[in-house]
Amino acid sequence: QVQLQESGPGLVKPSGTLSLTCAVSGASIISSDWWSWVRQVPGKGLEWIGEIYHYGTTNYNPSLKRRITISVDKSNNQFSLKLTSMTAADTAVYYCARWGGGLDVWGQGTTVTVSS
Amino acid sequence: DIQMTQSPSTLSASVGDSVTITCRASQSVSNLLAWYQQKPGKAPKFLIYKASSLQRGVPSRFSGSGSGTEFTLTISSLQPDDFGTYYCQHYNGYPYTFGQGTRVEIK
Repeated sequence: QVQLQESGPGLVKPSGTLSLTCAVSGASIISSDWWSWVRQVPGKGLEWIGEIYHYGTTNYNPSLKRRITISVDKSNNQFSLKLTSMTAADTAVYYCARWGGGLDVWGQGTTVTVSS
Repeated sequence: DIQMTQSPSTLSASVGDSVTITCRASQSVSNLLAWYQQKPGKAPKFLIYKASSLQRGVPSRFSGSGSGTEFTLTISSLQPDDFGTYYCQHYNGYPYTFGQGTRVEIK
């Protein structure tokens, strides 16, 4: 059974950088899957952030492209999100997910608040 | 970006009712459309892919149809556990985008 678990700080200062990690268990990150990040502003809908294939190929949401980096750590079977220049508008629940013809496996989500 | 618009925003129905949610795309997405169910405080659950294919383990009362720009999700006999917010998502090119969600309430 594939499971994903996000980890990272719950609080980030304005203009700071968010770094989140998604640990993958029950599957190899070098399988033929894309690994994704999605966020949800409290009380709002879902926003696709981007994805990575284990080769390192990435696809990013253009609205965030200048600020985001998604990377893979094969040795630890995990992938990561880095989001720079954080503002209050980036306060959200951040989910990692696997793309298997749809976002078929999700982490539980981690709440990130941007505040000084 | 392709805009996804769902209707209604909220619906209230009784157990046993058939309910339908509509999702419209601002341009054709072929059949590259997925549906998700989300309950409060939880991650979304994947229900349907390629507009009409049921994900393994999803009850058969859920069904999807459509292609191009208009899609529907139907729950044939609403059950108490079906409450939540439903989202469509296209994956016909980047960025993938979601509809704004349809909240389903049980009367």
